[in-house]
Amino acid sequence: DGGITQSPKYLFRKEGQNVTLSCEQNLNHDAMYWYRQDPGQGLRLIYYSQIVNDFQKGDIAEGYSVSREKKESFPLTVTSAQKNPTAFYLCASSPRGTTVYEQYFGPGTRLTVT
Amino acid sequence: AQTVTQSQPEMSVQEAETVTLSCTYDTSESDYYLFWYKQPPSRQMILVIRQEAYKQQNATENRFSVNFQKAAKSFSLKISDSQLGDAAMYFCAYRRHTGTASKLTFGTGTRLQVTL
Repeated sequence: DGGITQSPKYLFRKEGQNVTLSCEQNLNHDAMYWYRQDPGQGLRLIYYSQIVNDFQKGDIAEGYSVSREKKESFPLTVTSAQKNPTAFYLCASSPRGTTVYEQYFGPGTRLTVT
Repeated sequence: AQTVTQSQPEMSVQEAETVTLSCTYDTSESDYYLFWYKQPPSRQMILVIRQEAYKQQNATENRFSVNFQKAAKSFSLKISDSQLGDAAMYFCAYRRHTGTASKLTFGTGTRLQVTL
């Protein structure tokens, strides 16, 4: 089955540690995205990538880093510089183009930093 | 910058009844796309319906339909014959027409409860 996988579903880390969230897709989509969701707020874009080896900052990129070495994978690293890392993180992908392609979302990872 | 506003944090509807969720947005562009996403307790985001701004006809998908008022920058979602499975968070989202990988701008969501 085609889709987006995010692992793990729940992740716990100590403050000061970097942590990497996994996102893999087998939909052959060129574009991939990372969103953050906090209670009472909508999703906010962290980073996005249109093609391999290219990515752009979203609205809240500070304290995060990404890589796009393979079309299928777009891992997100939450660094110790991120002041409030506890949140729900959603990965999405879409075909590249100007047609109104929807974004397909993964199941998300709940990160808790204490 | 584009903004999306959902002024109803929570809504409740009885099973089999109809409910309308509101969404307004602000943009200076004339061509764009609008979406409604559903997020059930599993937290998986599911596309409910989409609307291209250049189309005057309101989109419909089975029990879901929209009322798109471009001049008023309003994009409401109507759910007919509500079912228990419709209970979820609903997010309105905006996307620019230009750009090959354009971000979605989301509203803060409306939590819909469906009662017996």
